[in-house]
Amino acid sequence: KNEVEQSPQNLTAQEGEFITINCSYSVGISALHWLQQHPGGGIVSLFMLSSGKKKHGRLIATINIQEKHSSLHITASHPRDSAVYICAVSRGGATNKLIFGTGTLLAVQP
Amino acid sequence: GAGVSQSPSNKVTEKGKDVELRCDPISGHTALYWYRQSLGQGLEFLIYFQGNSAPDKSGLPSDRFSAERTGGSVSTLTIQRTQQEDSAVYLCASSFNRGTGELFFGEGSRLTVL
Repeated sequence: KNEVEQSPQNLTAQEGEFITINCSYSVGISALHWLQQHPGGGIVSLFMLSSGKKKHGRLIATINIQEKHSSLHITASHPRDSAVYICAVSRGGATNKLIFGTGTLLAVQP
Repeated sequence: GAGVSQSPSNKVTEKGKDVELRCDPISGHTALYWYRQSLGQGLEFLIYFQGNSAPDKSGLPSDRFSAERTGGSVSTLTIQRTQQEDSAVYLCASSFNRGTGELFFGEGSRLTVL
């Protein structure tokens, strides 16, 4: 079992829909990152969370440390939101490599 | 520069040749990571540098891979005697604080081994 699990793996939505992508992890973490990668493009950091909730424009990220779960929400989705969304956790401590989820491929249709 | 800079952006090489990939992190960022992303695969951790501490090399796939970071800034990833399975996009990221800092990624170096 992967230490970081994302769901769904693939998601197709209609423009305007509310989208939720989930991330569960099984290890202790110092922070959780949500990343976005457009096809053929680089990776952009969307959020870095250690508790609570953050909002940037139409994007909202939440984390529940006790349940080891995070969600990324997109309100009023748009075709330009189509990308791979990746959850990654920082283990902290002496070894600080990130552990990545396998990503969620989102396609928003007009 | 303002962001993480990687070079070359594309590299095509023949099997058995050595390659060097360069990463210039954001000024002042103490943490630097190398990852790779093979076609259709997720991100794979390779190596992590934090300040002057010994690097975490636990993700390097074989002894053909090595990396160094000079003066706590620029990093070079070297792959010796390249193999076709080394073909991937090699990504570098930096952050200000170990673990809890926002990550900034470079555009990656696409390596193709023929």
